[in-house]
Amino acid sequence: KNEVEQSPQNLTAQEGEFITINCSYSVGISALHWLQQHPGGGIVSLFMLSSGKKKHGRLIATINIQEKHSSLHITASHPRDSAVYICAASGGGADGLTFGKGTHLIIQP
Amino acid sequence: EPEVTQTPSHQVTQMGQEVILRCVPISNHLYFYWYRQILGQKVEFLVSFYNNEISEKSEIFDDQFSVERPDGSNFTLKIRSTKLEDSAMYFCASVPGSTGANVLTFGAGSRLTVL
Repeated sequence: KNEVEQSPQNLTAQEGEFITINCSYSVGISALHWLQQHPGGGIVSLFMLSSGKKKHGRLIATINIQEKHSSLHITASHPRDSAVYICAASGGGADGLTFGKGTHLIIQP
Repeated sequence: EPEVTQTPSHQVTQMGQEVILRCVPISNHLYFYWYRQILGQKVEFLVSFYNNEISEKSEIFDDQFSVERPDGSNFTLKIRSTKLEDSAMYFCASVPGSTGANVLTFGAGSRLTVL
């Protein structure tokens, strides 16, 4: 069974700061998903990674398969980035995702 | 942009009652999922559904739970004889292919409160 750990659990930063959220997992995976959950509860997929790096706007996600580690970076952070960021591991196929506990990010103006 | 639609958004029920949560996945997606999130806890996988049958289920998904796709569009989660600990947000998700190669699209969730 895969164990997915995230750090930090909580992060408060000032607007404009560079943000890094880390995720590690215990068992080899097919892909690592980064998700965003807003206060209302809705979940939005940000990235699906199986190797290397992906970028979308101010968000960058990286994964190191050998080290079983992924990071999510936010450049030029903004208060609207405040949310819970969750990483989740996929074994592939129809496997359900195994979720981390999430990182609660607050960006202060 | 295509959406996954869930109904109801919030349901309150008495302990012991049966509840049906409904989902309309994105039409050309092949895999469908139910997840739940108890308040303050992480999201947990319940069940995946592919080709009109359960593909995988977690240990949470016991005989109290069932899923079906009765009409080719709706994807339902039935919870029989609800318990207090079934109170949670239930998310439906769909994906065009393997989660090893595709992002999931989540519905907005159905909040279940069992009294």
